[in-house]
Amino acid sequence: DQQVKQNSPSLSVQEGRISILNCDYTNSMFDYFLWYKKYPAEGPTFLISISSIKDKNEDGRFTVFLNKSAKHLSLHIVPSQPGDSAVYFCAASVTPTGANNLFFGTGTRLTVIP
Amino acid sequence: DVKVTQSSRYLVKRTGEKVFLECVQDMDHENMFWYRQDPGLGLRLIYFSYDVKMKEKGDIPEGYSVSREKKERFSLILESASTNQTSMYLCASSPPGRINEKLFFGSGTQLSVL
Repeated sequence: DQQVKQNSPSLSVQEGRISILNCDYTNSMFDYFLWYKKYPAEGPTFLISISSIKDKNEDGRFTVFLNKSAKHLSLHIVPSQPGDSAVYFCAASVTPTGANNLFFGTGTRLTVIP
Repeated sequence: DVKVTQSSRYLVKRTGEKVFLECVQDMDHENMFWYRQDPGLGLRLIYFSYDVKMKEKGDIPEGYSVSREKKERFSLILESASTNQTSMYLCASSPPGRINEKLFFGSGTQLSVL
């Protein structure tokens, strides 16, 4: 059973507009959340993370929002650029840390149209 | 920058063959992982290792084994390859401590078992 869900397999956005990628989770014990970005023929690379003690974390054009009551996570990219076109995976983990406590979503393919 | 290198980008093997996937990291990380990525299923953990000669099963270890004789190298072994092991295999490493905070991934090996 998928504990981390990305219900939109794909998303297309015009360059300069906002991209919003969504992620839902089922386990209320998750307390650390991450986003990874994956280009074709490359491995995923870490993008941004957030701890459950926060509801927002910002890094340049990327902001992650956490709504614990709704068990919902979102990644906002503003403004979107063609180089942002990639597959985005959200992931969630439970403390204490352990590799078996990290769960990935199925990914959302973002296409930014010039 | 951390570099995680997977020895092959593409591999084609026959059913029943023994297959070795090699992974080397250059940042002296204690933790290493093998994931597989399948469409609609996200990343699933096969095995991981916290240190040399140590290994732990992940979510889907059946049909796989691993070897970690040196800190920098983590090998995934398919004892007798089957068609349902056709997948993208991703190796990752992370420093000690909060191992789920940030994984560094290799570029992946696309394995086809015929």
